[in-house]
Amino acid sequence: AQSVTQLDSQVPVFEEAPVELRCNYSSSVSVYLFWYVQYPNQGLQLLLKYLSGSTLVESINGFEAEFNKSQTSFHLRKPSVHISDTAEYFCAVSNTGMDSSYKLIFGSGTRLLVRP
Amino acid sequence: NAGVTQTPKFQVLKTGQSMTLQCAQDMNHNSMYWYRQDPGMGLRLIYYSASEGTTDKGEVPNGYNVSRLNKREFSLRLESAAPSQTSVYFCASSDSSRGTQYFGPGTRLTVL
Repeated sequence: AQSVTQLDSQVPVFEEAPVELRCNYSSSVSVYLFWYVQYPNQGLQLLLKYLSGSTLVESINGFEAEFNKSQTSFHLRKPSVHISDTAEYFCAVSNTGMDSSYKLIFGSGTRLLVRP
Repeated sequence: NAGVTQTPKFQVLKTGQSMTLQCAQDMNHNSMYWYRQDPGMGLRLIYYSASEGTTDKGEVPNGYNVSRLNKREFSLRLESAAPSQTSVYFCASSDSSRGTQYFGPGTRLTVL
């Protein structure tokens, strides 16, 4: 069975400071890894994903995550955060089902609170 | 191109009442999913449909039924609502070649 652990339920940080949101997973098979972001009262949006290839993946708004197979981690980082990054961030894993579905297993989420 | 749409946005039910949550996508995706989101627990998969004509249970299917009406639409039914089903429900769809799931805006359901 797969599982995802997000170690921090809330991360407060000052604007323009760096941030790291931690994610660890467990799985007995190869996985795909995702970070989703949820702004208040909205649905989830994909931030970035790792399917294969380069272990460092980037988003268009400055976030990056690195797949570390030996540590079973996929931590999310940003060198300088903005007030607008305040949101809840979810790490998720999936593997390709025999039926071609991509069932996601989510972590419990980390609320990023950026203060001026 | 609306993506994934859900109706209604909000609903209040009394214990024992039934209702159906509607979901539609216009991206020609094969797979569709229903999740519930509860504080501190992330999202949990209720049911999914890998392709038109098939449905399967997820992690928390008890108390729910689903119907994949056609390729676009996937509904979730609560036959006899219970307070434990108070939650925010999200529908999602995915293109099997890319793996990314696209989420609707959610339905906030309260069962009294």
